[in-house]
Amino acid sequence: NAGVTQTPKFQVLKTGQSMTLQCAQDMNHNSMYWYRQDPGMGLRLIYYSASEGTTDKGEVPNGYNVSRLNKREFSLRLESAAPSQTSVYFCASSEGGHNTGELFFGEGSRLTVL
Amino acid sequence: AQTVTQSQPEMSVQEAETVTLSCTYDTSENNYYLFWYKQPPSRQMILVIRQEAYKQQNATENRFSVNFQKAAKSFSLKISDSQLGDTAMYFCAFMKGSGGSNYKLTFGKGTLLTVNP
Repeated sequence: NAGVTQTPKFQVLKTGQSMTLQCAQDMNHNSMYWYRQDPGMGLRLIYYSASEGTTDKGEVPNGYNVSRLNKREFSLRLESAAPSQTSVYFCASSEGGHNTGELFFGEGSRLTVL
Repeated sequence: AQTVTQSQPEMSVQEAETVTLSCTYDTSENNYYLFWYKQPPSRQMILVIRQEAYKQQNATENRFSVNFQKAAKSFSLKISDSQLGDTAMYFCAFMKGSGGSNYKLTFGKGTLLTVNP
């Protein structure tokens, strides 16, 4: 079972470059999320999509954009990467609706911005 | 806004012993869920245990149990008979239980647990 798949797993960018992190889930979940994980900071929510066709800002949305392409896919875009965006990014999904809070996570994408 | 605090950045325990990880939270909500997630060195995070705030009984999952003290806003995780595979970062998390699109989880900063042989 694939679950939540993120690509790429590793990426190095130069300041000012753009890139898109891709995420897909095969569990027919309604809700999808993007988190970033930094040492000593835990996980912080960047954006989420409660259901197909909707997106909302999380705790740290500045510098990012998202697209809920369809029910399966939720991408995160960095338009002009900055060193402060060096982090590990996690995509997650959940059932939504009568959501009980169990998130299913991808393996993470390690991004370095030079 | 909700906050989740894990006051122990790192802990260690000997194999087969019991360890307790602490978590406190701050909220004005009455209906909510609390979680412990585990992130092993391979990095994929998984749910360990979940507690509904309206339930007085503490949740248990095999060797994992919680001590939920609603009035004190405390939610600790006890791992019994620790195993080497329990070595991981553990995150406490909070979610509102009200209706609408409140599906967001707020995570603590994590506790790195090392189980020593």
